[in-house]
Amino acid sequence: DGGITQSPKYLFRKEGQNVTLSCEQNLNHDAMYWYRQDPGQGLRLIYYSQIVNDFQKGDIAEGYSVSREKKESFPLTVTSAQKNPTAFYLCASSPQTNSPLHFGNGTRLTVT
Amino acid sequence: DQQVKQNSPSLSVQEGRISILNCDYTNSMFDYFLWYKKYPAEGPTFLISISSIKDKNEDGRFTVFLNKSAKHLSLHIVPSQPGDSAVYFCAAPSGNTPLVFGKGTRLSVIA
Repeated sequence: DGGITQSPKYLFRKEGQNVTLSCEQNLNHDAMYWYRQDPGQGLRLIYYSQIVNDFQKGDIAEGYSVSREKKESFPLTVTSAQKNPTAFYLCASSPQTNSPLHFGNGTRLTVT
Repeated sequence: DQQVKQNSPSLSVQEGRISILNCDYTNSMFDYFLWYKKYPAEGPTFLISISSIKDKNEDGRFTVFLNKSAKHLSLHIVPSQPGDSAVYFCAAPSGNTPLVFGKGTRLSVIA
């Protein structure tokens, strides 16, 4: 059963700590994405990757980092430099960059 | 600068009536549009799309209309059901860049 798995669903961290959100897909999609959802803000693109070992910044990349060492995996690290890290984070994939996206069920990160 | 705009943050509709969700865009290069539906604490799911070569696309209770001259599209849901209550996002790809999303409209269907 193909899909995108994000883990964990809920994550709590203290301010000043880096935290890594996991995203795995078994859809054999080339492109993967990270979006952030805040109330009233819609979905904002953090980073995306069109191919293994390559990624590009989205609209709000500051304070985040990613890696794409494997086609199936696209972890997102929220660093201590991110000023407002508390949000709902969504990972997605698609066959190509401008194809419809398949989303995971998200990770809610709370930083206190 | 928002390229895809959903100007109504929320909409309430009686069960059985029509729901109309609107979306405006500014980039005339957009030639393909998508609607996503999102329940709380879940990822968005693809609902319906339309290519700019069409002005209407229908899938069951869901119809999307595109008015290219006005740079406007709308999603019609008829009849609306309580299970349709969700946040709806309009989105468009721009060239080889990822989808640009609107801010979403929260639809509440009242029984």
